[in-house]
Amino acid sequence: NAGVMQNPRHLVRRRGQEARLRCSPMKGHSHVYWYRQLPEEGLKFMVYLQKENIIDESGMPKERFSAEFPKEGPSILRIQQVVRGDSAAYFCASRETGTGGRGYTFGSGTRLTVV
Amino acid sequence: AQKITQTQPGMFVQEKEAVTLDCTYDTSDPSYGLFWYKQPSSGEMIFLIYQGSYDQQNATEGRYSLNFQKARKSANLVISASQLGDSAMYFCAMREGGTNAGKSTFGDGTTLTVKP
Repeated sequence: NAGVMQNPRHLVRRRGQEARLRCSPMKGHSHVYWYRQLPEEGLKFMVYLQKENIIDESGMPKERFSAEFPKEGPSILRIQQVVRGDSAAYFCASRETGTGGRGYTFGSGTRLTVV
Repeated sequence: AQKITQTQPGMFVQEKEAVTLDCTYDTSDPSYGLFWYKQPSSGEMIFLIYQGSYDQQNATEGRYSLNFQKARKSANLVISASQLGDSAMYFCAMREGGTNAGKSTFGDGTTLTVKP
Protein backbone atom coordinates (compact mmCIF):
# COMPACT_ATOMS: atom_id res chain seq x y z
CA ASN A 1 0.00 0.00 0.00
CA ALA A 2 1.80 3.08 -1.24
CA GLY A 3 2.01 6.06 1.07
CA VAL A 4 0.95 9.60 0.30
CA MET A 5 2.57 10.56 -2.99
CA GLN A 6 3.47 14.13 -3.74
CA ASN A 7 4.96 15.39 -6.95
CA PRO A 8 7.08 17.00 -7.97
CA ARG A 9 9.56 16.79 -5.08
CA HIS A 10 11.19 20.02 -6.21
CA LEU A 11 9.66 22.76 -8.33
CA VAL A 12 11.32 25.93 -9.56
CA ARG A 13 9.17 28.73 -10.94
CA ARG A 14 9.91 32.26 -12.07
CA ARG A 15 7.96 35.09 -10.51
CA GLY A 16 4.56 35.40 -12.16
CA GLN A 17 4.32 31.78 -13.28
CA GLU A 18 1.86 29.21 -11.98
CA ALA A 19 2.75 26.33 -9.68
CA ARG A 20 0.73 23.10 -9.53
CA LEU A 21 1.42 20.70 -6.69
CA ARG A 22 -0.10 17.22 -6.74
CA CYS A 23 -0.99 14.91 -3.91
CA SER A 24 -2.27 11.34 -4.20
CA PRO A 25 -3.56 10.20 -0.80
CA MET A 26 -3.13 6.70 0.56
CA LYS A 27 -5.56 4.16 -0.85
CA GLY A 28 -8.86 4.40 0.97
CA HIS A 29 -8.13 7.84 2.43
CA SER A 30 -10.73 10.43 1.57
CA HIS A 31 -9.46 13.31 3.72
CA VAL A 32 -6.62 15.48 2.45
CA TYR A 33 -4.83 18.35 4.16
CA TRP A 34 -2.30 20.82 2.80
CA TYR A 35 0.30 22.50 5.00
CA ARG A 36 3.03 25.02 4.23
CA GLN A 37 6.40 25.13 5.97
CA LEU A 38 8.50 28.24 5.62
CA PRO A 39 12.25 27.88 6.34
CA GLU A 40 13.03 27.35 10.04
CA GLU A 41 9.33 27.27 10.95
CA GLY A 42 6.66 24.73 11.79
CA LEU A 43 3.88 23.63 9.50
CA LYS A 44 0.98 25.99 8.95
CA PHE A 45 -2.42 24.65 7.95
CA MET A 46 -3.74 25.77 4.59
CA VAL A 47 -6.78 23.72 3.54
CA TYR A 48 -8.71 20.56 4.36
CA LEU A 49 -10.58 18.73 1.61
CA GLN A 50 -12.71 15.67 1.16
CA LYS A 51 -13.62 14.28 -2.22
CA GLU A 52 -15.07 17.15 -4.27
CA ASN A 53 -15.52 19.35 -1.18
CA ILE A 54 -13.49 22.00 0.58
CA ILE A 55 -14.14 21.52 4.30
CA ASP A 56 -11.88 24.19 5.79
CA GLU A 57 -9.84 26.73 3.85
CA SER A 58 -9.20 29.10 6.74
CA GLY A 59 -5.43 28.92 6.22
CA MET A 60 -5.45 29.68 2.50
CA PRO A 61 -4.34 33.12 1.33
CA LYS A 62 -7.32 34.93 -0.15
CA GLU A 63 -5.72 35.49 -3.53
CA ARG A 64 -3.71 33.36 -5.97
CA PHE A 65 -4.12 30.10 -4.03
CA SER A 66 -6.70 27.41 -4.75
CA ALA A 67 -7.11 23.72 -4.01
CA GLU A 68 -9.24 20.90 -5.28
CA PHE A 69 -9.74 17.20 -4.64
CA PRO A 70 -11.76 15.80 -7.53
CA LYS A 71 -13.74 12.59 -7.53
CA GLU A 72 -11.03 10.98 -9.63
CA GLY A 73 -7.35 11.84 -9.49
CA PRO A 74 -5.03 13.60 -7.09
CA SER A 75 -5.60 16.66 -4.99
CA ILE A 76 -4.10 19.78 -6.58
CA LEU A 77 -2.77 22.88 -4.85
CA ARG A 78 -2.51 25.68 -7.37
CA ILE A 79 -0.60 28.90 -6.88
CA GLN A 80 -1.05 31.53 -9.56
CA GLN A 81 1.42 34.34 -10.27
CA VAL A 82 3.95 33.08 -7.77
CA VAL A 83 6.08 35.51 -5.75
CA ARG A 84 9.34 34.97 -3.86
CA GLY A 85 7.43 34.70 -0.58
CA ASP A 86 5.69 31.55 -1.85
CA SER A 87 9.00 29.68 -1.66
CA ALA A 88 8.41 26.98 0.94
CA ALA A 89 7.87 23.28 1.45
CA TYR A 90 4.28 22.23 0.84
CA PHE A 91 3.13 19.07 2.58
CA CYS A 92 0.05 17.01 1.92
CA ALA A 93 -1.38 14.59 4.49
CA SER A 94 -4.27 12.13 4.33
CA ARG A 95 -6.38 10.00 6.64
CA GLU A 96 -9.32 7.62 6.57
CA THR A 97 -12.78 8.61 7.69
CA GLY A 98 -13.23 8.12 11.43
CA THR A 99 -9.54 8.22 12.28
CA GLY A 100 -9.40 11.89 13.13
CA GLY A 101 -7.96 10.99 16.50
CA ARG A 102 -4.81 9.48 15.08
CA GLY A 103 -1.82 10.89 13.30
CA TYR A 104 -2.32 11.27 9.62
CA THR A 105 0.20 10.22 7.00
CA PHE A 106 2.31 12.89 5.36
CA GLY A 107 3.77 12.91 1.91
CA SER A 108 7.42 13.81 1.39
CA GLY A 109 6.54 17.36 0.43
CA THR A 110 7.11 19.59 -2.58
CA ARG A 111 9.84 22.18 -2.25
CA LEU A 112 8.84 25.23 -4.25
CA THR A 113 11.50 27.77 -5.14
CA VAL A 114 10.49 31.00 -6.81
CA VAL A 115 13.33 32.76 -8.63
CA ALA B 1 -2.45 33.12 21.74
CA GLN B 2 -0.05 30.37 20.71
CA LYS B 3 -1.87 27.05 20.77
CA ILE B 4 1.28 24.92 20.78
CA THR B 5 4.46 26.13 22.44
CA GLN B 6 7.83 24.46 22.14
CA THR B 7 10.22 26.49 24.25
CA GLN B 8 13.44 24.73 23.28
CA PRO B 9 14.70 25.81 19.85
CA GLY B 10 17.64 23.42 20.15
CA MET B 11 18.65 20.54 22.39
CA PHE B 12 21.77 18.42 22.72
CA VAL B 13 21.96 14.93 24.17
CA GLN B 14 24.72 12.40 24.51
CA GLU B 15 24.25 9.16 22.62
CA LYS B 16 22.49 6.46 24.71
CA GLU B 17 21.08 8.98 27.16
CA ALA B 18 17.42 10.01 27.49
CA VAL B 19 16.11 13.40 26.46
CA THR B 20 12.84 15.26 27.06
CA LEU B 21 11.42 17.68 24.51
CA ASP B 22 8.89 20.10 25.96
CA CYS B 23 5.47 20.94 24.58
CA THR B 24 2.64 22.90 26.13
CA TYR B 25 -0.73 23.47 24.53
CA ASP B 26 -3.78 25.62 24.93
CA THR B 27 -7.35 24.58 24.16
CA SER B 28 -10.82 24.81 25.64
CA ASP B 29 -12.05 21.79 23.65
CA PRO B 30 -12.41 18.75 25.94
CA SER B 31 -11.69 16.42 23.01
CA TYR B 32 -8.31 16.75 21.37
CA GLY B 33 -5.32 14.77 20.22
CA LEU B 34 -1.65 15.48 20.69
CA PHE B 35 1.03 14.29 18.28
CA TRP B 36 4.75 14.32 17.83
CA TYR B 37 6.43 14.23 14.44
CA LYS B 38 10.07 13.90 13.47
CA GLN B 39 11.52 15.77 10.52
CA PRO B 40 15.03 14.63 9.58
CA SER B 41 17.28 16.68 7.34
CA SER B 42 15.81 14.91 4.31
CA GLY B 43 12.62 16.83 5.01
CA GLU B 44 9.86 14.24 5.33
CA MET B 45 7.44 14.32 8.27
CA ILE B 46 7.38 11.10 10.29
CA PHE B 47 4.59 10.41 12.78
CA LEU B 48 6.00 9.23 16.13
CA ILE B 49 3.32 9.08 18.81
CA TYR B 50 -0.25 10.07 19.65
CA GLN B 51 -2.06 10.88 22.90
CA GLY B 52 -5.82 11.37 23.10
CA SER B 53 -7.24 13.76 25.66
CA TYR B 54 -9.33 11.00 27.20
CA ASP B 55 -6.56 8.42 27.32
CA GLN B 56 -5.85 7.38 30.88
CA GLN B 57 -2.32 6.17 30.30
CA ASN B 58 0.66 7.88 28.75
CA ALA B 59 1.34 6.75 25.19
CA THR B 60 4.45 4.75 24.41
CA GLU B 61 5.92 3.64 21.07
CA GLY B 62 9.22 1.84 21.36
CA ARG B 63 11.82 4.32 22.59
CA TYR B 64 9.29 7.17 22.49
CA SER B 65 6.94 8.01 25.32
CA LEU B 66 4.65 10.95 25.84
CA ASN B 67 4.54 12.47 29.31
CA PHE B 68 0.94 13.74 29.32
CA GLN B 69 0.06 16.08 32.17
CA LYS B 70 -3.46 17.22 31.40
CA ALA B 71 -3.87 19.70 34.25
CA ARG B 72 -0.65 21.43 33.25
CA LYS B 73 -1.50 21.16 29.54
CA SER B 74 1.82 19.64 28.72
CA ALA B 75 2.72 16.79 26.39
CA ASN B 76 6.46 16.29 26.57
CA LEU B 77 8.19 13.74 24.37
CA VAL B 78 10.73 11.48 26.02
CA ILE B 79 13.25 9.66 23.85
CA SER B 80 15.14 6.96 25.70
CA ALA B 81 18.56 5.61 24.73
CA SER B 82 19.20 8.30 22.11
CA GLN B 83 20.77 7.25 18.83
CA LEU B 84 22.68 9.32 16.28
CA GLY B 85 19.78 8.82 13.89
CA ASP B 86 17.50 10.66 16.29
CA SER B 87 19.15 13.95 15.29
CA ALA B 88 16.31 15.84 13.62
CA MET B 89 13.67 18.51 14.09
CA TYR B 90 10.76 17.46 16.32
CA PHE B 91 7.32 19.00 16.12
CA CYS B 92 4.50 18.84 18.63
CA ALA B 93 0.99 19.21 17.20
CA MET B 94 -2.60 19.29 18.41
CA ARG B 95 -5.85 18.48 16.70
CA GLU B 96 -9.04 19.68 18.39
CA GLY B 97 -12.34 17.87 18.07
CA GLY B 98 -13.39 14.21 17.81
CA THR B 99 -13.12 11.59 15.11
CA ASN B 100 -14.16 14.03 12.41
CA ALA B 101 -11.54 16.52 13.46
CA GLY B 102 -9.78 18.56 10.82
CA LYS B 103 -6.64 20.60 10.91
CA SER B 104 -3.72 20.30 13.27
CA THR B 105 -1.77 23.15 14.81
CA PHE B 106 1.99 22.71 14.97
CA GLY B 107 4.61 24.18 17.26
CA ASP B 108 7.75 25.82 15.90
CA GLY B 109 9.82 22.73 16.57
CA THR B 110 12.89 21.68 18.53
CA THR B 111 16.12 20.73 16.81
CA LEU B 112 17.66 17.74 18.56
CA THR B 113 21.33 16.93 18.09
CA VAL B 114 22.65 13.63 19.40
CA LYS B 115 26.36 13.72 20.17
CA PRO B 116 28.54 10.61 19.87
